[in-house]
Amino acid sequence: QVQLRESGPGLVKTSQTLSLICTVSGGSTHSTSYYWTWIRQPAGKGLEWIGRIYTSGSVNYNPSLKGRASISIDRSKNQFSLNLRFVTAADAAMYYCAREELGSDGLDVWGQGTTVTVSS
Amino acid sequence: SYELTQPPSVSVSPGQTASLTCSGDNLKDKYVSWYQQKSGQSPVMVIFHDKKRPSGTPERFSGSKSGNTATLTISGTQTLDESDFYCLAWDGSTAIFGGGTKLTVL
Repeated sequence: QVQLRESGPGLVKTSQTLSLICTVSGGSTHSTSYYWTWIRQPAGKGLEWIGRIYTSGSVNYNPSLKGRASISIDRSKNQFSLNLRFVTAADAAMYYCAREELGSDGLDVWGQGTTVTVSS
Repeated sequence: SYELTQPPSVSVSPGQTASLTCSGDNLKDKYVSWYQQKSGQSPVMVIFHDKKRPSGTPERFSGSKSGNTATLTISGTQTLDESDFYCLAWDGSTAIFGGGTKLTVL
């Protein structure tokens, strides 16, 4: 079955760029049946949808991030990535990648998450 | 911006029925999905399209919607159901999560 795994630096300095990768196994980012999604969760708080990308490269972002987020896809590596620019302490969170099946309006597969800390 | 409202906490006794609500403007026109998140774990989708259960979701979990309020019902609640639950709906091409409900089973 499909599995997702997040990876990337666990520590980012204020005002720099957070970069994370989600590796897909047991499935393909070439598939036209899914969106590939990023979600985050600050410690002790709720979930926030960051954005998603389709195999074609088409992306949607949460307007609350004010253009700081960028999601890309590397089909040759079966990965998709998140860059979040100009981070502040408010960006410290557990970051999850997930899969959304087209037409389901739901996120049916989630990664285990990776913790990102922001330091000054 | 669009918001989904969930009660912060719900308590239920084992074996009883728990009802968790999620409300939002025009929710009657949107599909709702529900996610269970146990402590220290990733969320798991338990309901999509308001009332459909993914394979693997126990039958005691059911979803419904009336007007602008969606409800996740857990029948015969078990202690292992103690979790945070989040609803999700779409505002155009942006997914919105509710603030979450902590379900306590005691």
